[in-house]
Amino acid sequence: DIQMTQSPSTLSASIGDRVNITCRASQSISGSLAWYQQKPGKAPNLLIYKTSWLEGGVPARFSGSGSGTDFTLTISSLQPDDFATYYCQQYNSYSWTFGQGTKVEIK
Amino acid sequence: VHLLQSGAEVKKPGASVKVSCTPSGYMFTRYGISWVRQAPGQGLEWMGWISTYNSNKKYAQRFQGRVTMTTDTSTGTAYMELTSLRSDDTAVYYCARGDVVETAAFDYWGQGALVVVSS
Repeated sequence: DIQMTQSPSTLSASIGDRVNITCRASQSISGSLAWYQQKPGKAPNLLIYKTSWLEGGVPARFSGSGSGTDFTLTISSLQPDDFATYYCQQYNSYSWTFGQGTKVEIK
Repeated sequence: VHLLQSGAEVKKPGASVKVSCTPSGYMFTRYGISWVRQAPGQGLEWMGWISTYNSNKKYAQRFQGRVTMTTDTSTGTAYMELTSLRSDDTAVYYCARGDVVETAAFDYWGQGALVVVSS
């Protein structure tokens, strides 16, 4: 099975900061990488799929990049609504794996 | 699009639980359903996927033999049954919409169903 390693596990940032969260796959996943945002007590919400495609309704301050095994979620200017936990997910050959999550906290 | 799940359950160790997921707002057989669980304070764990079109399934290795995913196209409902429950199966169980034949991301999720396993 493909393993996903996210870093950092916790991130403290201020409003307006540029934030990067990274995700590394244990083998190449050919761009089949998604990012989700989850707030306490709520279901996850899809932000980005296929590495860099923005889901409808998601603000443009979110972007994704990467290839092969290394991927990044960037929030260009952190807003109050962005404090949450973020998960990467690989999806390949009828197998799905999530990273362990990154909690973005207020600094 | 809305995925409505069944309510919270409390089960004893060794019992089984069956969670339902009833999507609305789209044609049921056009999208697949995956099941994802989240233990208290923990991350997301994919359990398996079922095609609502042809009932093809793929289960995560660690749940093989304990999980069964089914669909009822007459009622437009997907089910996930987990047997031989243990205390560490206590979690919120989510259904999520994906592709019906391919491996894809999950664009809509149910509200989650809390399953508590306790003696």
